[in-house]
Amino acid sequence: GNSVTQMEGPVTLSEEAFLTINCTYTATGYPSLFWYVQYPGEGLQLLLKATKADDKGSNKGFEATYRKETTSFHLEKGSVQVSDSAVYFCALTLNTGGFKTIFGAGTRLFVKA
Amino acid sequence: NAGVTQTPKFQVLKTGQSMTLQCAQDMNHNSMYWYRQDPGMGLRLIYYSASEGTTDKGEVPNGYNVSRLNKREFSLRLESAAPSQTSVYFCASSGAVSRSYNSPLHFGNGTRLTVT
Repeated sequence: GNSVTQMEGPVTLSEEAFLTINCTYTATGYPSLFWYVQYPGEGLQLLLKATKADDKGSNKGFEATYRKETTSFHLEKGSVQVSDSAVYFCALTLNTGGFKTIFGAGTRLFVKA
Repeated sequence: NAGVTQTPKFQVLKTGQSMTLQCAQDMNHNSMYWYRQDPGMGLRLIYYSASEGTTDKGEVPNGYNVSRLNKREFSLRLESAAPSQTSVYFCASSGAVSRSYNSPLHFGNGTRLTVT
């Protein structure tokens, strides 16, 4: 079946540290890949996306590259800020008689000043 | 610039009671979705509607029903609430960019439901 696996949290970093959150997927077909972010008390919002192999999505200093050979879409940021503290979800979307999105379990990030 | 609006924000039910969660989007999106979010489990799809007039089961449909009232509105009904349905419920929508690609999901702010 189709699934997304991402590293368990919480991840705790100091401000200006390098961030990596690992994400791998299993999918039949050719999914689009996404990272969503959720701040406390809010719904998820799109952080970045990639729609085909070797695409790199980027936004607000975050990056992720669609790696078909390793079925991965790892999230990275060179220097995190306290305001990046949130829960991050990796997700894939497939058209299986309607577009459906499958989410990973989420990774909570705490950034300390 | 409302996007996706969900009501209510909070609800407490007793076991066996019924309620309907409302969702409306103003982005002219074809597809709408209901997810539930539980700690450590990410978001799980309950039901979705690929277009007006169609609905399909997702991963965890048992105990729920949905109605796609029109293109804007997609409601979720709990006929007889159970404690296992205590969760945060999110409505989302997306629109067609091409035949093979839909836009990313746009989410409401969620309904926090407690069943005692």
